[in-house]
Amino acid sequence: DAGVTQSPTHLIKTRGQHVTLRCSPISGHKSVSWYQQVLGQGPQFIFQYYEKEERGRGNFPDRFSARQFPNYSSELNVNALLLGDSALYLCASNLYQGAYNSPLHFGNGTRLTVT
Amino acid sequence: GQQVMQIPQYQHVQEGEDFTTYCNSSTTLSNIQWYKQRPGGHPVFLIQLVKSGEVKKQKRLTFQFGEAKKNSSLHITATQTTDVGTYFCAGGGNTPLVFGKGTRLSVIA
Repeated sequence: DAGVTQSPTHLIKTRGQHVTLRCSPISGHKSVSWYQQVLGQGPQFIFQYYEKEERGRGNFPDRFSARQFPNYSSELNVNALLLGDSALYLCASNLYQGAYNSPLHFGNGTRLTVT
Repeated sequence: GQQVMQIPQYQHVQEGEDFTTYCNSSTTLSNIQWYKQRPGGHPVFLIQLVKSGEVKKQKRLTFQFGEAKKNSSLHITATQTTDVGTYFCAGGGNTPLVFGKGTRLSVIA
C-alpha cells in the first residue's frame, strides 16, 4: 500500500505570495494532520482534520488554513508568505480514534523556501 | 501549554557504544511516542508507551515511560551506523502530539 504522499516536494516562493500544499493519506486513514518543521527543531502542530472537519489547530496565524476533501486528502494554504514560513511542511495521517493517541504516519514533506 | 523537553540536543558516539536520550514533559501524559528521522527524511514512528512504568524493547532499543507519566527515555545498546538520525519524543493525550526538539545522534565508525 502507498504511504502518505505529498506534493510538491520542493517549492520556492517570494514574500507576500500564496502557497498550496497537498497531501493524500494512507488508504483507510480518515485523519490528516499538518506539521511545520523548522531546521533543527521538532515538528510543530498546525492543524488536524477528521471527516472533513477541523479537530485541532495549533498556534499559527490566520494566514494558515487547511481543508479536507471527501476522499480524505487535504490541502494546506498559506497566504502572505513571510521569510519565517520557510520550513519543511509535513503531512501525517492516522486512525483517529476520538483522541490524538494514534501513531502518525508522515509523508516525505514539502520543502518551502520563501525569498 | 504543554511542553516536551529532550536532552541532550546532540550526541556523538563511537560505534558500539551505548546511547540514551531523555524526554520530560511539563504535564502528565496519557501516552508518549518515539519517532526517528534520518537526515533528509521524515519522522518514522518507532513505538508508543501508554502505561505508567512501562518498558518496551525493540532489538537493541529500550523505551521506558516514567512512573509519573511525565518522562521517558530511549536507550540504544551497542550503536551501529544505521542508528544515525534524530530521535524525537512526542507527548499525547487530549491535545495534539507535542514534539520535543529531538536528539541528534552521530555514530563514528
